[in-house]
Amino acid sequence: KAGVTQTPRYLIKTRGQQVTLSCSPISGHRSVSWYQQTPGQGLQFLFEYFSETQRNKGNFPGRFSGRQFSNSRSEMNVSTLELGDSALYLCASQTSGGNSYNEQFFGPGTRLTVL
Amino acid sequence: AQSVAQPEDQVNVAEGNPLTVKCTYSVSGNPYLFWYVQYPNRGLQFLLKYITGDNLVKGSYGFEAEFNKSQTSFHLKKPSALVSDSALYFCAVRDKGGSYIPTFGRGTSLIVHP
Repeated sequence: KAGVTQTPRYLIKTRGQQVTLSCSPISGHRSVSWYQQTPGQGLQFLFEYFSETQRNKGNFPGRFSGRQFSNSRSEMNVSTLELGDSALYLCASQTSGGNSYNEQFFGPGTRLTVL
Repeated sequence: AQSVAQPEDQVNVAEGNPLTVKCTYSVSGNPYLFWYVQYPNRGLQFLLKYITGDNLVKGSYGFEAEFNKSQTSFHLKKPSALVSDSALYFCAVRDKGGSYIPTFGRGTSLIVHP
């Protein structure tokens, strides 16, 4: 099986712009979660989608949004970029949405740099 | 609320020596516990998990972890470290009866010296 894929791998944007990141989960996985990883804050949960519905949301401003498509692929969008949004954005997928003991499978991440 | 603490930002060990990366957790119910490893410029890779049963869990690449309920700990161990084990290690917890979203520790950088 192919792993979790994320595109693009690297992005450079300027303040005020918006950006869209994409994630394709492992085939058969219906849950997709997004995380922001920074040296100062570590791994922070953004949101989780299951069957095209946002099921959980972390403590991030409304500039951060996401969606999931019928094929389980997911996108996240950040509008009005700020310097502090520079981070590695990780996508993770897992099988069934109802079993919290399942491990997550992570993609390689998208490195976003905001200038 | 659930939380995870990894008390050491960095662990240094000589190749061939045993290694331990510490993790303590807090949940209101019973925990599901996970260890992940992250190599530079890569996503996290799953190493092992504790769900129930035997307190000693064996995982990938020769790693194991011991669940200690009384000490609320889940330390990661390996009998003989390799230079290639050098990476960032994350502990994560989910409360069986609580949030579906795992809480991650801040990570511990493991450096194995030749």
